[in-house]
Amino acid sequence: NAGVTQTPKFQVLKTGQSMTLQCAQDMNHNSMYWYRQDPGMGLRLIYYSASEGTTDKGEVPNGYNVSRLNKREFSLRLESAAPSQTSVYFCASLLGAGGNQPQHFGDGTRLSIL
Amino acid sequence: TQLLEQSPQFLSIQEGENLTVYCNSSSVFSSLQWYRQEPGEGPVLLVTVVTGGEVKKLKRLTFQFGDARKDSSLHITAAQPGDTGLYLCAGSDFNKFYFGSGTKLNVKP
Repeated sequence: NAGVTQTPKFQVLKTGQSMTLQCAQDMNHNSMYWYRQDPGMGLRLIYYSASEGTTDKGEVPNGYNVSRLNKREFSLRLESAAPSQTSVYFCASLLGAGGNQPQHFGDGTRLSIL
Repeated sequence: TQLLEQSPQFLSIQEGENLTVYCNSSSVFSSLQWYRQEPGEGPVLLVTVVTGGEVKKLKRLTFQFGDARKDSSLHITAAQPGDTGLYLCAGSDFNKFYFGSGTKLNVKP
């Protein structure tokens, strides 16, 4: 039962480097999400994709780009990493649209930017 | 930004005690979800409440959605060490979800 798979699990970058975080789900879900979680804070939505071919900004999109490559995969790219982007990043998927259904989360990518 | 405030932020209690966690907002949500997160893992859904005034029970956990659909509470009866974790509420605005900052619960044996 893979569910939502995120790679890599850990990464250390230098300021200014670029990186793509990968997320794949095998549940045939339509919606996919990227969140960041900082100490003492809940999850904040970066971008989401309600269906294949669409993406929308969340609460904190600045400094990030996303690609919904196909129904299974949703990647998050940091073009020029900054120390303020040090965080734990979670990907989630949802079967349909709307908040009555459970989001299924991956185990996160722990990203440190020096 | 729609803010969800959770209280308390931290809670350390003895096994067998009861507790209540609150999730409050000035915004109306179409639904509200409660998640539990363990260290090194993603959150896992406990319950979704949709209707104002709704009460749902999950074994020793009781969830309530406020009449105005702006706030919610989670009550745990006779807490056990296995209940230890970070509890998060999340309000839904159609496709978007807004999370509270979480309540870190530690239940001591």
